[in-house]
Amino acid sequence: RKEVEQDPGPFNVPEGATVAFNCTYSNSASQSFFWYRQDCRKEPKLLMSVYSSGNEDGRFTAQLNRASQYISLLIRDSKLSDSATYLCVVKDSNSGYALNFGKGTSLLVTP
Amino acid sequence: DTAVSQTPKYLVTQMGNDKSIKCEQNLGHDTMYWYKQDSKKFLKIMFSYNNKELIINETVPNRFSPKSPDKAHLNLHINSLELGDSAVYFCASSLGGGGDTQYFGPGTRLTVL
Repeated sequence: RKEVEQDPGPFNVPEGATVAFNCTYSNSASQSFFWYRQDCRKEPKLLMSVYSSGNEDGRFTAQLNRASQYISLLIRDSKLSDSATYLCVVKDSNSGYALNFGKGTSLLVTP
Repeated sequence: DTAVSQTPKYLVTQMGNDKSIKCEQNLGHDTMYWYKQDSKKFLKIMFSYNNKELIINETVPNRFSPKSPDKAHLNLHINSLELGDSAVYFCASSLGGGGDTQYFGPGTRLTVL
């Protein structure tokens, strides 16, 4: 299985800061892209899908660059509650329905 | 209402034992999955079933056997447990495949002593 790579962090940022996470994937045939969030000792939950045109959901903006095989997540005005691990996730056309997870980037937002 | 539920939440057992983890979803989804998250927090697919049929079977020891009695349930049976099986096992479901969102259960933390 091809890999999804992320900087593991941790990223320690103060409240209100803007933070960006990057992810690269190696399979150019990948078709679907997501960011999931995982809190400590909890299950992963979908944060947002990532579309080629880029998409925004409140303070969160996701970008996809298919040519560079690169995905990003920008979090503006960080809140304490944003502290979590952010998982870059790719679904390949030849992997059935399974999600291919990166190892996650840890974010800690401090007061 | 719990969408994807797993039992037990915690499982502590001795090496060599056989154990099962159960998963149920009440979302009416057709596809269910088992993922393993190891001590390094890396989440990897193990199995996937669509309408009770196995569609993904990753390189997993044959001590692991999934069973889907109906499309709302996907159980995982593990024979002859080994220390390396200690991990968190997540069940997930999605409406179909493709880009459908996968919803995860709360996880089963398995510790093999």
